[in-house]
Amino acid sequence: DTAVSQTPKYLVTQMGNDKSIKCEQNLGHDTMYWYKQDSKKFLKIMFSYNNKELIINETVPNRFSPKSPDKAHLNLHINSLELGDSAVYFCASSQARLANTGELFFGEGSRLTVL
Amino acid sequence: KNEVEQSPQNLTAQEGEFITINCSYSVGISALHWLQQHPGGGIVSLFMLSSGKKKHGRLIATINIQEKHSSLHITASHPRDSAVYICAVKLGSNYKLTFGKGTLLTVNP
Repeated sequence: DTAVSQTPKYLVTQMGNDKSIKCEQNLGHDTMYWYKQDSKKFLKIMFSYNNKELIINETVPNRFSPKSPDKAHLNLHINSLELGDSAVYFCASSQARLANTGELFFGEGSRLTVL
Repeated sequence: KNEVEQSPQNLTAQEGEFITINCSYSVGISALHWLQQHPGGGIVSLFMLSSGKKKHGRLIATINIQEKHSSLHITASHPRDSAVYICAVKLGSNYKLTFGKGTLLTVNP
């Protein structure tokens, strides 16, 4: 059983479209995250939810909207996609609230390509 | 200057060599993570530490809080260790993890 699973793994779409990436964890963790990895492989936090409550919201365009229907799921919806949104998006989870005391478990990543 | 600096950026070694990857950060932290990203893209957590030293198999991670420095060591390196190794810290009162840019390790047979 995959601990943190993301779908889709690959997503190719046109500029201006709206797309979603889904994430589910079966570890019973309270905290989930979305990270963006750019073309230079640099990881940056986007959002974090703890028990369905948004606790980290970095400087991300409001075209990006996370949604957590329950603590096992954290989905990422992106409106009006732009070329610069092309990246690999990683979902992660941890038991600790702020990732400073708990090990992180990552999904396999979702590679988004905007044409 | 990044708040989290890793060195070297790229490292090529021969199988069997002892590897050291370094991570320095600018302010006090409460925890430091070492992550491994394989060529296929998946990220795996190797260690989380706030003091001292941890060992898992051939991997050893150390941290010196006073010097604001951590090292990841790989003993008897193997081609399957080839990956990007990423250091991540929670800096001071900042509540999020800040990542280093990673060290690309290539171990040749």
